Amino acid sequence: DVKVTQSSRYLVKRTGEKVFLECVQDMDHENMFWYRQDPGLGLRLIYFSYDVKMKEKGDIPEGYSVSREKKERFSLILESASTNQTSMYLCASSQNGVYSPLHFGNGTRLTVT
Amino acid sequence: GQQLNQSPQSMFIQEGEDVSMNCTSSSIFNTWLWYKQDPGEGPVLLIALYKAGELTSNGRLTAQFGITRKDSFLNISASIPSDVGIYFCAGLQIQGAQKLVFGQGTRLTINP
Repeated sequence: DVKVTQSSRYLVKRTGEKVFLECVQDMDHENMFWYRQDPGLGLRLIYFSYDVKMKEKGDIPEGYSVSREKKERFSLILESASTNQTSMYLCASSQNGVYSPLHFGNGTRLTVT
Repeated sequence: GQQLNQSPQSMFIQEGEDVSMNCTSSSIFNTWLWYKQDPGEGPVLLIALYKAGELTSNGRLTAQFGITRKDSFLNISASIPSDVGIYFCAGLQIQGAQKLVFGQGTRLTINP
């Protein structure tokens, strides 16, 4: 079974802090994604990556950056956390192909105070 | 960004009832998917639909890819307590990018 592991289930950070959310997948998938989940808004794509050192903006990249130095690891960075970034963050991975299903981690619930 | 309109946003039903939810879009999608999220976990793929008009079943779940490619529905028959969770539809437009667009989710609550 594919395993996508997010390093923290819960995080509480202060406004202005730099925050790192880490994600690791163990199936050698090429593609990795970061989504945020908010009630009534579903899942919205923040950033994604097709390969090491490559990144593409999703629908809501403002206030975020990402890093993919190794194929299995995709990090989401909040340069200066703000209260409107309080949310559930979900990492996902998939293989290349016409369509390959997304495999999600269990999420990190981030609270910014 | 683009979004799918999923309805209803929440459902409260009795165990044993059938459930129906749907997604619509103003855009055409090449693939429709349905995911389920259990409490405290990430979404898991339930059903994938690849052709307009396709009707696919997975146990008590049935999903259809609308003929116009702008909508999809999911039915759950004879609901049981473990069906509780949030159901998401997702659409994929193949433009060299595997970017899924998700609906807002349907939260299903079941009274035993």
